[in-house]
Amino acid sequence: NAGVTQTPKFQVLKTGQSMTLQCAQDMNHNSMYWYRQDPGMGLRLIYYSASEGTTDKGEVPNGYNVSRLNKREFSLRLESAAPSQTSVYFCASSDQQETQYFGPGTRLLVL
Amino acid sequence: QKEVEQNSGPLSVPEGAIASLNCTYSDRVSQSFFWYRQYSGKSPELIMSIYSNGDKEDGRFTAQLNKASQYVSLLIRDSQPSDSATYLCAVNTGAGGFKTIFGAGTRLFVKA
Repeated sequence: NAGVTQTPKFQVLKTGQSMTLQCAQDMNHNSMYWYRQDPGMGLRLIYYSASEGTTDKGEVPNGYNVSRLNKREFSLRLESAAPSQTSVYFCASSDQQETQYFGPGTRLLVL
Repeated sequence: QKEVEQNSGPLSVPEGAIASLNCTYSDRVSQSFFWYRQYSGKSPELIMSIYSNGDKEDGRFTAQLNKASQYVSLLIRDSQPSDSATYLCAVNTGAGGFKTIFGAGTRLFVKA
């Protein structure tokens, strides 16, 4: 099992460009999450999907959109990137005990 | 006020010593508690989960929970240089993983 996979690993964008971060899990988990991690800030929840077909805002949703494509896949889209979105992005999924399993992360730099 | 607080460190301990990592949380209805380890440049991975008051041991790791004091800790016995990482405390305040709040983490450095 691959667990949680994310693409790309690294990305450099110019202000105003758009991109989609892809995430997939093969653990048959219902819930999936997108976090950003900034120095000194810990992990902050951007969006989550409690089950296939549902998505909800987390703590810091502004500037992002998500799609739960099916049970396996959950993508995060930046429509118009801003320097404030420079961060490390983690996708995660959780089991029924609410343990979260994280992907390897995407390091995004917005110039 | 942060909902989950940790000392950012770095906490430096010699090899073989006990490392003690602490976490306090503000929501009294919190139900489940987790410690994740994150190596530099890597993603968090679960070390321990604890759901009831008292101690829970797993190898060199012991998690301690005191709900009355809203305090959870992680002890690492016989610390090794490979334990050097950032340790994230996570608290689940209700049903559903989206209710999980992460602390900012404590950096641990184990000196050989």
